[in-house]
Amino acid sequence: EVQLVQSGAEVKKPGESLRISCKASGFSFTTYWIAWVRQMPGEGLEWMGIIYPTDSETRYSPSFQGQVTISADKSISTAYLQWSSLKAADTAMYYCARHAGPPGIYYFDYWGQGALVTVSS
Amino acid sequence: DIVMTQSPDSLAVSLGERATMNCKSSQSVVYSSDNKNYLAWYQQKPGQPPKLLVYWASTRESGVPDRFSGSGSGTDFTLTISSLQAEDVAVYYCQQYYRTPITFGPGTKVDIK
Repeated sequence: EVQLVQSGAEVKKPGESLRISCKASGFSFTTYWIAWVRQMPGEGLEWMGIIYPTDSETRYSPSFQGQVTISADKSISTAYLQWSSLKAADTAMYYCARHAGPPGIYYFDYWGQGALVTVSS
Repeated sequence: DIVMTQSPDSLAVSLGERATMNCKSSQSVVYSSDNKNYLAWYQQKPGQPPKLLVYWASTRESGVPDRFSGSGSGTDFTLTISSLQAEDVAVYYCQQYYRTPITFGPGTKVDIK
């Protein structure tokens, strides 16, 4: 069974760093692009960027380039989303998702359960 | 970036009636090499991640009820729920995967009238 299991909710202060995770199971982690998607409170879905775990190639949305870092550890089938200095505007639900159909970057066929990040002083 | 728009923002339909929503892309999402429309639809219920309903504009995902159907080509697409059920109350998003950055429409909220 394909699963993407994300780390839990986080409450952080502005300026703090954070890394959240997405552990994959049930499929070959290195042959699918894995994406991170942001959903701010009451808002729609925003594609942040993707990683190809085989060689850690990453692509970022221009809106998120330089704001976050996407990485992966293929030895433990886990993708990460990292911030070096959080802002209140980073408060959102963050989903990881698998792009269907290797080697292409297609629709999302599986999603993690989401990780709520709250940034507040 | 390819901009996705959806209409209406929300709609309320009686149980058993048809619900129709539209999605428009700022440029064609058809690849000439395979003649496929790189367009998907998702359903999101409160407190849940999105769920894939339709991909390649009209291919229903396995396990999705056949009351859901996608149509359209090029820049104009439609998702139809042929007979609305109570469990279909949700926000529906279209998404293009023709090129990165992948972009979503703002969503259409469906409620019961």
